[in-house]
Amino acid sequence: ETGVTQSPTHLIKTRGQQVTLRCSSQSGHNTVSWYQQALGQGPQFIFQYYREEENGRGNFPPRFSGLQFPNYSSELNVNALELDDSALYLCASSLTPSEGYTFGSGTRLTVV
Amino acid sequence: AQSVAQPEDQVNVAEGNPLTVKCTYSVSGNPYLFWYVQYPNRGLQFLLKYITGDNLVKGSYGFEAEFNKSQTSFHLKKPSALVSDSALYFCAVRDMTSGTYKYIFGTGTRLKVLA
Repeated sequence: ETGVTQSPTHLIKTRGQQVTLRCSSQSGHNTVSWYQQALGQGPQFIFQYYREEENGRGNFPPRFSGLQFPNYSSELNVNALELDDSALYLCASSLTPSEGYTFGSGTRLTVV
Repeated sequence: AQSVAQPEDQVNVAEGNPLTVKCTYSVSGNPYLFWYVQYPNRGLQFLLKYITGDNLVKGSYGFEAEFNKSQTSFHLKKPSALVSDSALYFCAVRDMTSGTYKYIFGTGTRLKVLA
């Protein structure tokens, strides 16, 4: 529907584990941003990738990392999971950083 | 620093009545303002945006928003609410001062339209 696909839709992990979330952007979209939306909060900017390079980062620790691939897919990796990492993780893509974004439906991560 | 505020956690309105969801902003320079809607377990859907031009912006699903520079507000409105409008609404400002052009979102307002 939106052209941005995220997987999995839901995920349960144990504290201390590592997780990889995936996003498939619209073809041609060179920019991907990741947002964390905790329960009852607005989305918070994690980081952005433009042409496979990190292009900016929000106030998140280094255990949050990412990759962007030439086929317009990307990953968000979180190491040493903490209970507070439980949230909806949203991927958004655009042609360039200044263009309008299309959001995916998100991955709901629960850390127990 | 750029920010938006949504002063109401929840807004209740009867079906068929007009609705308003409030948003105020604080930005340096010209504001790039947006409204998004989120249904349960879904991502964000774009409703409308203000970049420049007319202060009244029309968007999807019959929604509109009024940009008021003197009051630094960007309230979302709809003349006649539908039960299907019940959702979580986010106001956002686009940070045009950084190379990421990231969105800065408000905390959201839950709209409940009562039949």
